[in-house]
Amino acid sequence: NAGVMQNPRHLVRRRGQEARLRCSPMKGHSHVYWYRQLPEEGLKFMVYLQKENIIDESGMPKERFSAEFPKEGPSILRIQQVVRGDSAAYFCASSPQQGNYGYTFGSGTRLTVV
Amino acid sequence: DQQVKQNSPSLSVQEGRISILNCDYTNSMFDYFLWYKKYPAEGPTFLISISSIKDKNEDGRFTVFLNKSAKHLSLHIVPSQPGDSAVYFCAASALGGATNKLIFGTGTLLAVQP
Repeated sequence: NAGVMQNPRHLVRRRGQEARLRCSPMKGHSHVYWYRQLPEEGLKFMVYLQKENIIDESGMPKERFSAEFPKEGPSILRIQQVVRGDSAAYFCASSPQQGNYGYTFGSGTRLTVV
Repeated sequence: DQQVKQNSPSLSVQEGRISILNCDYTNSMFDYFLWYKKYPAEGPTFLISISSIKDKNEDGRFTVFLNKSAKHLSLHIVPSQPGDSAVYFCAASALGGATNKLIFGTGTLLAVQP
């Protein structure tokens, strides 16, 4: 029973490029969350998705960031025109249902913008 | 606005002794609290949680205490083991909310000395 799979584990992008982070939830989990951890900070909520629906994107920056969770395939967090301030660890988590807060996190993608 | 605060960035404890990690919150709407443990280069792992209708929850060596009037919770680990050395995050949410969003503290690095 594989856990939450995130890839790539490490991603280096030059300023202005696009970053695509992928997350495959645990089998049977239909709820996906993205969090970002900046250096020396805690995890900050970004977005909560169910299959084909964005439920809560209140933590997403207004520009350059988007997320999707299609009917088939992994959830994608997309960052366009990356800047140095986007360098962080991005964690995905999944849960089987709403109201289950002990959700399972992936190992994260560490994005470095050079 | 840091709604969940962990004021101790680090804590060092001798093996076999008790570790006490503290967390304060400001939002009176929070009614569900969790502790996560995180090793370097891994995602957070759910440890233990507590609902606001309780003041204590115990799971093996881990006990969480909630003082609603003081808006304070603590995690007790006894006896502490070297494998407990990690960063511990406190998190909170409003269970009655429409989403599963968690608000995290900045974490406390626990070092258990053999």
